[in-house]
Amino acid sequence: GNSVTQMEGPVTLSEEAFLTINCTYTATGYPSLFWYVQYPGEGLQLLLKATKADDKGSNKGFEATYRKETTSFHLEKGSVQVSDSAVYFCALSGPLSGNTPLVFGKGTRLSVIA
Amino acid sequence: DAGITQSPRHKVTETGTPVTLRCHQTENHRYMYWYRQDPGHGLRLIHYSYGVKDTDKGEVSDGYSVSRSKTEDFLLTLESATSSQTSVYFCAISIAFTDTQYFGPGTRLTVL
Repeated sequence: GNSVTQMEGPVTLSEEAFLTINCTYTATGYPSLFWYVQYPGEGLQLLLKATKADDKGSNKGFEATYRKETTSFHLEKGSVQVSDSAVYFCALSGPLSGNTPLVFGKGTRLSVIA
Repeated sequence: DAGITQSPRHKVTETGTPVTLRCHQTENHRYMYWYRQDPGHGLRLIHYSYGVKDTDKGEVSDGYSVSRSKTEDFLLTLESATSSQTSVYFCAISIAFTDTQYFGPGTRLTVL
């Protein structure tokens, strides 16, 4: 079945550092890929998405490129801020998903220190 | 932000009591979902609905039931709450089954 593996945290960075959170997936066909962000005490918010190979999703300075050849969708940001501290979830949806339309990774907690 | 509200936002109850959580949307999306979030497990789908009175089970449906009598409301019921159901519950909506899902703010449920 479909699955998502993302790097385990926590990740601690200094302000203005470069961020990469790795995400790889296993899926049949051509899934859509998502990054969600969860700030403390809140629900998940869609951060960005990509629906086909080589698409780049971007939002709020974050980027991720849908790489079918490496089955990856790594999240990057050039200069993180304290306000980026949150838990980040990689997810996929696609055909043959059965009763699980959206498959999540376990989340990566990011802490940014000033 | 998508118009999704959940009530209550926090609840403490005792083992064996019934509990109902409500999700309300103002987006007129066809699909609605209930998830639970637990440390080490990420988000797991409990039940979902694909229309009024149309529901189906997710991966962790045991001990839960759902109902949807109106497009905008999706109820999750724990018939007899157990301590293993202590969790944070999220509702989500989407236009299509594999489309982007939008999440509510969550309900923190504690079963003593």
